[in-house]
Amino acid sequence: GIQVEQSPPDLILQEGANSTLRCNFSDSVNNLQWFHQNPWGQLINLFYIPSGTKQNGRLSATTVATERYSLLYISSSQTTDSGVYFCAVAPQGGSEKLVFGKGTKLTVNP
Amino acid sequence: DAGITQSPRHKVTETGTPVTLRCHQTENHRYMYWYRQDPGHGLRLIHYSYGVKDTDKGEVSDGYSVSRSKTEDFLLTLESATSSQTSVYFCAGGTRPETQYFGPGTRLLVL
Repeated sequence: GIQVEQSPPDLILQEGANSTLRCNFSDSVNNLQWFHQNPWGQLINLFYIPSGTKQNGRLSATTVATERYSLLYISSSQTTDSGVYFCAVAPQGGSEKLVFGKGTKLTVNP
Repeated sequence: DAGITQSPRHKVTETGTPVTLRCHQTENHRYMYWYRQDPGHGLRLIHYSYGVKDTDKGEVSDGYSVSRSKTEDFLLTLESATSSQTSVYFCAGGTRPETQYFGPGTRLLVL
């Protein structure tokens, strides 16, 4: 099946710093989503982005489908950005069946 | 949480007993999903539903069954719980596969 690799596995930042999280996937996809899991366990959908670029406030994401990777950018990080960021993809023909990466754990220190 | 609740939120049970987890949604989501989250594995899809009485298997469906007799409720059943099913279970829903909204999770401990 499709493989999803996220990097780095852990990231520690000072408040105000910028960061880039990467998601590589092994096959063509028609569904790619980024999620944030806060320290209390709640999962929030950030972006649906199988291709192209989107922005939402301090967060933006870019997916280069032809090269099979996606990037999540966090600018001017805040302590509330801490948590685990997951990339999830579904292969062509199976958009309901998301396969998750193992996540990037982000810690933003004050 | 897009109107998704899970019950119970915590459960401790013994090996061999049946367990049913309930997911309830109030947003008329067509699609509903059950995932499990384990350290080192991220989230893995157990089963999903694309309509009332329409379900399909996910990545880790062995030992689990689901039912969806009405739009609002998606039940996950462990017929005979095993220690390997100790996990955090998340329900998700969405009107399209492109967006999934998650419930708060259920922590299950099988002794």
